Amino acid sequence: QQQVKQSPQSLIVQKGGISIINCAYENTAFDYFPWYQQFPGKGPALLIAIRPDVSEKKEGRFTISFNKSAKQFSLHIMDSQPGDSATYFCAASRVNDMRFGAGTRLTVKP
Amino acid sequence: NAGVMQNPRHLVRRRGQEARLRCSPMKGHSHVYWYRQLPEEGLKFMVYLQKENIIDESGMPKERFSAEFPKEGPSILRIQQVVRGDSAAYFCASSPRQGFYEQYFGPGTRLTVT
Repeated sequence: QQQVKQSPQSLIVQKGGISIINCAYENTAFDYFPWYQQFPGKGPALLIAIRPDVSEKKEGRFTISFNKSAKQFSLHIMDSQPGDSATYFCAASRVNDMRFGAGTRLTVKP
Repeated sequence: NAGVMQNPRHLVRRRGQEARLRCSPMKGHSHVYWYRQLPEEGLKFMVYLQKENIIDESGMPKERFSAEFPKEGPSILRIQQVVRGDSAAYFCASSPRQGFYEQYFGPGTRLTVT
């Protein structure tokens, strides 16, 4: 049972552009929403996370936007760089459960 | 501060053999989680452990799979009588907090069953 839907499956962006990845969840009990970045052959790295009591969180070029009523959240990567090319996973969790999206493969063209 | 350590990084086993995957959490973390990832897919939760306790094993197959996190030493994920379908990347994560929050992942063990 997929509880976190992630889109798009793949994304190609030009260097300097904005990359946007979207996720939607079903269970309103989730209260922690992290994003992970994974390079080929490596483990996922925690990038940024948000709690549902705020609508936006920014860390450097990475911003999470959160819409509690729509049960949606998104990752924005500003000024995308070729080094950002990786697979990005969203997740939704609570104290006794964590579900991952299927991932978005981002390619940033120089 | 060293991150989560996993070994071996690559493991090849013949069908029917046993696979043992080890995970050392980050210093100060007492919560360990194991996940499985198939190519081009997301992470699937397997088991959540604290020292000497299994907290949640709802994602782990009932047969052939077991996990432990002893008082001393790394956490071990054990797969007995491996089959080709067990071929995957297995990731361990650790957290300083109880529950499914703030998890830091290791580099993974890539298991290939021939």
